[in-house]
Amino acid sequence: DAGVIQSPRHEVTEMGQEVTLRCKPISGHDYLFWYRQTMMRGLELLIYFNNNVPIDDSGMPEDRFSAKMPNASFSTLKIQPSEPRDSAVYFCASSFRDRQETQYFGPGTRLLVL
Amino acid sequence: AQSVTQLGSHVSVSEGALVLLRCNYSSSVPPYLFWYVQYPNQGLQLLLKYTSAATLVKGINGFEAEFKKSETSFHLTKPSAHMSDAAEYFCAVRGGNEKLTFGTGTRLTIIP
Repeated sequence: DAGVIQSPRHEVTEMGQEVTLRCKPISGHDYLFWYRQTMMRGLELLIYFNNNVPIDDSGMPEDRFSAKMPNASFSTLKIQPSEPRDSAVYFCASSFRDRQETQYFGPGTRLLVL
Repeated sequence: AQSVTQLGSHVSVSEGALVLLRCNYSSSVPPYLFWYVQYPNQGLQLLLKYTSAATLVKGINGFEAEFKKSETSFHLTKPSAHMSDAAEYFCAVRGGNEKLTFGTGTRLTIIP
């Protein structure tokens, strides 16, 4: 069974450009999480969805970041416009029933903004 | 509010030696506790979790952790380190309806 799928795996872009990261959660999972990992700040939860509805976006750093989940099998994280400080690894994770259940992480998207 | 503190951002042990990675938590309600491992260029994967059942939790790859409420600790151990254990390890806590909070991670290096 396929795990969480993220694309692209690597993204290099220039400051000011729009970046879209994509995630396909594990089939049947009803929670989806977006995390950002940097050396300075570690692993941060940006936003999470339950049944395609955003529940908590308090971790989204600023209005330049937005996330959507149009259906149970697809989510996007968009940065517009991108800045060099957005350079990080972005992980998507999914889980079933969330609470005490395991979160399954994707391989991540390594973003470099020049 | 909840938090987790991992003592030691880098730990080195010799192959075959005991692995001990420390994690202390803070939670206003009974917590669920997790250890995740991240291998280079990969996402996190669950090693083990404590969900209020047995206080000694066994996970994959020979790891285990013991929940000690009196010490608010959830240290990760493995009796004999293998080269393949080299990775970054994250402790995480979740209490009540809070979201999962990760520690800053401990990078484990295995010395041949």
